[in-house]
Amino acid sequence: EAAVTQSPRNKVTVTGGNVTLSCRQTNSHNYMYWYRQDTGHGLRLIHYSYGAGNLQIGDVPDGYKATRTTQEDFFLLLELASPSQTSLYFCASKEGTGGPSQNTLYFGAGTRLSVL
Amino acid sequence: GQGVEQPDNLMSVEGTFARVNCTYSTSGFNGLSWYQQREGHAPVFLSYVVLDGLKDSGHFSTFLSRSNGYSYLLLTELQIKDSASYLCAVSWPNYNVLYFGSGTKLTVEP
Repeated sequence: EAAVTQSPRNKVTVTGGNVTLSCRQTNSHNYMYWYRQDTGHGLRLIHYSYGAGNLQIGDVPDGYKATRTTQEDFFLLLELASPSQTSLYFCASKEGTGGPSQNTLYFGAGTRLSVL
Repeated sequence: GQGVEQPDNLMSVEGTFARVNCTYSTSGFNGLSWYQQREGHAPVFLSYVVLDGLKDSGHFSTFLSRSNGYSYLLLTELQIKDSASYLCAVSWPNYNVLYFGSGTKLTVEP
C-alpha cells in the first residue's frame, strides 16, 4: 500500500498570510497531485507534477504555487491566503501512465485549512 | 473539468442494492475510476474501467457506456458500513489527470 503523508493536518491562518502545505510519498511514484475539496464542488485539481522539478497546472491554480523538490516531496504554497482558500486539501500520488494497475490515485489524509 | 456529473444523494436499504450514476463529456476519454470516501477520510480506489460493459468485482460492479458518456457503480447486498460518498473520476486528456465529480452520498438504512 502506497503511503502518502500530509502535514500539517490542520492549519489556521489570517487573510494575507503565507502557508505551505507539505506532502511526501514513499513509493517512488512518478505523479503527484494537489486537490481541494469543497461541498458542492467535489475534488478540484490545483497542480500536479510528473517528477522532480516539473509542474503542471490543473483546473483551479489561481492563488496557488507548487513545487516538486524531489521524487517524494510536493509542496503547495499560498503566498497571500484569502478566505476563499478555506478548504480541505488532499495530496495524491500515482505510479505512472498505462493500464489500470498504474492508474490508481493514493491519497493522503488531508489538510484542513482555515483562512480567517 | 470534463463535465463529470453525479447526483448528490442516494438512499437504500440494508440487504438490497444501490446504483450510483455518473455522466461525463465523452471527448478525449481515457478511462473512468470510482472511489469511496467515508466521512472525514481520504478517497479510496474501488475500480477502473475503460471498456464498455459490466465489470463484476463482487460487492462492487461497474458499468460503462463510452458512446453515451455514462457509468454506474452497483453495490449489492448492502451493509450499513457501505454508507459513504462515492466519487466518479474521468481520466482526461490522458491517463495522468483525473477529474472528479462532486460525489454521491449513499445512505444505507436498516
